[in-house]
Amino acid sequence: QVQLQESGPGLVKPSQILSLTCSVSGASISRGTHYWSWIRQHPGKGLEWIGYIYYSGSTYHNPSLKSRATISVDTAKNQYSLKLTSLTVADTAVYYCARQSHSFFDYWGQGTLVAVSS
Amino acid sequence: DIQMTQSPSSVSASVGDRVTITCRASQDISSLLAWYQQKPGKAPNLLISTASSLQSGVPPRFSGSGSGTDFTLTISSLQPEDFATYYCQQAHSFPYTFGQGTKVESK
Repeated sequence: QVQLQESGPGLVKPSQILSLTCSVSGASISRGTHYWSWIRQHPGKGLEWIGYIYYSGSTYHNPSLKSRATISVDTAKNQYSLKLTSLTVADTAVYYCARQSHSFFDYWGQGTLVAVSS
Repeated sequence: DIQMTQSPSSVSASVGDRVTITCRASQDISSLLAWYQQKPGKAPNLLISTASSLQSGVPPRFSGSGSGTDFTLTISSLQPEDFATYYCQQAHSFPYTFGQGTKVESK
């Protein structure tokens, strides 16, 4: 059974860098059969796709984040990560990692709430 | 970006009711649309992909239709476990975008 699990700090200060990791089990990132995404949801709001990574390191990042987001992969650990710089309170959200299957998100992590506050 | 607009924003319904949710894309997305169900405190769950393909394990009371710019999610007979928020998502163009959600509430 495919499982994804986000990990990272629950509280970060404005202007700092957020680093989140998604650990994947039950599927191999290096198999190259799927893309691996990050999605966030502001409190009480809708969903925003941050971007994806492929096992080769190929990425797409949503321009809405103005180049603040970087997604990377560690195939040896079967993990991928999100780095988000220049944080503001507007980045407070639940961050999900999710597997992409034919451009749709078929497996999701449970989500991790990140609060940006001084 | 392609804008996805759902209507209504919320719907009040009773168990056994037929519920229909609409999603409109700001441009033609062919059939590259998915529907998700999200319950409070949980991650979204993929119900339907490519507009009408039911995911494995999803009850057949859920169905999707449409192509181009107009899409519909129908719950034929609402069950207690179906009270949730539903989102559509387009996969035609980067960046992928979601509708704002439709909350199905108990009447």
